[in-house]
Amino acid sequence: GIQVEQSPPDLILQEGANSTLRCNFSDSVNNLQWFHQNPWGQLINLFYIPSGTKQNGRLSATTVATERYSLLYISSSQTTDSGVYFCAAGNDYKLSFGAGTTVTVRA
Amino acid sequence: GAVVSQHPSWVICKSGTSVKIECRSLDFQATTMFWYRQFPKQSLMLMATSNEGSKATYEQGVEKDKFLINHASLTLSTLTVTSAHPEDSSFYICSAQTGYLYEQYFGPGTRLTVT
Repeated sequence: GIQVEQSPPDLILQEGANSTLRCNFSDSVNNLQWFHQNPWGQLINLFYIPSGTKQNGRLSATTVATERYSLLYISSSQTTDSGVYFCAAGNDYKLSFGAGTTVTVRA
Repeated sequence: GAVVSQHPSWVICKSGTSVKIECRSLDFQATTMFWYRQFPKQSLMLMATSNEGSKATYEQGVEKDKFLINHASLTLSTLTVTSAHPEDSSFYICSAQTGYLYEQYFGPGTRLTVT
């Protein structure tokens, strides 16, 4: 199956800072999603982005499918951005999850 | 749109009993539903994939007789943990796919504790 690696594993930010999370995947994919898992465990869909660039408010994502990586950008971070960010990639319906990046935003 | 619910949100059961977890797509028809398991501070592991009206496809290493999955309709899938043991304690999360895109939408999860 697809192997998904995320970096860094942990990220501590001061409120207002910008950051970049990276996701590398081992093979070509036609499905790539970014999620934020809140403290209660709910996975929030951030982006469905098998290729290209998307933006949603302070978040944006870029996937370079030919080079097998995706980036999630958080700008002007807020304390509510804290949590675990997962990248998941795969083909058709099946997703493999990375280990996640734990983001802590300090006031 | 694309809301998925799970019930119950948490459950405690005694060792040897069975527990059923429901996953519903509330505002769309889900051609495919998925069940994942997550241990504390770890990632999600896919357990099985189910399509309405057909048998579930289990991932390698997942006991199909222990984790029974039924996808009875386009809006409901159930996971039954049979003869539960303490090592089955975990966070179980379902997701659903509309079929128009590959994007998956996740339920809020069910925390199972087996005593």
